[in-house]
Amino acid sequence: DAGVIQSPRHEVTEMGQEVTLRCKPISGHNSLFWYRQTMMRGLELLIYFNNNVPIDDSGMPEDRFSAKMPNASFSTLKIQPSEPRDSAVYFCASSPYSGTTSTDTQYFGPGTRLTVL
Amino acid sequence: AQTVTQSQPEMSVQEAETVTLSCTYDTSENNYYLFWYKQPPSRQMILVIRQEAYKQQNATENRFSVNFQKAAKSFSLKISDSQLGDTAMYFCALMGNSGYALNFGKGTSLLVTP
Repeated sequence: DAGVIQSPRHEVTEMGQEVTLRCKPISGHNSLFWYRQTMMRGLELLIYFNNNVPIDDSGMPEDRFSAKMPNASFSTLKIQPSEPRDSAVYFCASSPYSGTTSTDTQYFGPGTRLTVL
Repeated sequence: AQTVTQSQPEMSVQEAETVTLSCTYDTSENNYYLFWYKQPPSRQMILVIRQEAYKQQNATENRFSVNFQKAAKSFSLKISDSQLGDTAMYFCALMGNSGYALNFGKGTSLLVTP
């Protein structure tokens, strides 16, 4: 069974450009998460989708960031315009968590290393 | 608020030896879950082990085991018979009643030497 798939693995762009990161969750998983990892702040949850609906976007840093999940097998994280301080590793994760009081393990993709010059 | 503290930024161990990574946490919730994730140089975040707070028995996965002390809010990871492939950053994480929000520690970098 394929794990979480992310593309691209590496992205280098110039300040002001639009960046789109892509994620394909594990088939059958109800929940999808976007995380950002930096040296300063560690791993932070940006947004959480359940059944394709954004449930918690309190971690999205500012309006330049947006995320969509048009269907159960695809999600995007967009940064427009990008800034050097957005440079980080962005992870997508999915889990079978259905939104009930119990929880499930989150399985992470390989991450996208974003560099904004 | 929930916090996770890993007090050992770096550790090293010789191959075949045993090493213990420390993690303490703070939460006001009674029902929660604790995880250890491994991040090797490839950057992939890999689940190592998981513990439900309501379970008294410590979780074990092959060479990996935890010492869960609920009263002390401590959740250490023991790696037995260390292998070179265990070299990685190890993150302790806590999930509370939200069911989805993982709070990560800053990580411990483990180096396994020949």
